[in-house]
Amino acid sequence: EILMTQSPATLSVSLGERATLSCRASQSVRSNVAWYQQKPGQAPRLIIYAASTRATGIPGRFSGSGSGTEFTLTISSLQSGDFAVYYCQQYHDWPPCTFGQGTKLEIK
Amino acid sequence: EVQLVQSGAEVKKPGESLKMSCKASGSSFTTHWIHWVRQMPGKGLEWMGMIYPGDSDTRYSPSFQGHVTISVDTSSSTAYLQMNSLKASDTAMYYCATSDLEQLVVSLEYWGQGTLVTVSS
Repeated sequence: EILMTQSPATLSVSLGERATLSCRASQSVRSNVAWYQQKPGQAPRLIIYAASTRATGIPGRFSGSGSGTEFTLTISSLQSGDFAVYYCQQYHDWPPCTFGQGTKLEIK
Repeated sequence: EVQLVQSGAEVKKPGESLKMSCKASGSSFTTHWIHWVRQMPGKGLEWMGMIYPGDSDTRYSPSFQGHVTISVDTSSSTAYLQMNSLKASDTAMYYCATSDLEQLVVSLEYWGQGTLVTVSS
């Protein structure tokens, strides 16, 4: 089973600044990684798939990078609506399609 | 666009059984994997399993194998998640989700609204 480890658990960033979230896979998952945003009381929302492709309707300030075992979600110029919990997920080797434990992005 | 509508919240007693539903519309139901994801209160997302409605090929996470059953009814475009012998630790939000790519196991673009399950005596 592939483990996905996210860091940090909590990230405090000011409005307008850049946020960098990390996700590490326990073995190579090539580029088969997605990132999701979840706000309180809502279902998760797909942000990035195939490690670096923005999902439909996702603004350009969201970008993903990485391959193999190291992945990054970058949110430039944070807006108030970006503060949420972010999860990475691998779908390279399944079952299971494992999620990371999440990074809570909060306002500094 | 795909829409997934899940059944309503449930309150159950320990030892009881539960079968929740996820009705799909807007795409070919039989050619897209349907996934189930658990979220315990205040915790992260846990992938439980998935089913391919076209042939009912079902895959489970080892963590949930034997504890849940995933099934489909293609005539109504509905997927189901069944849990038996419920425990307090089954209290959680359960989501169904799917992608927009046929046949492939990929990222989850469409999500249901979730079914909140509370298990309490």
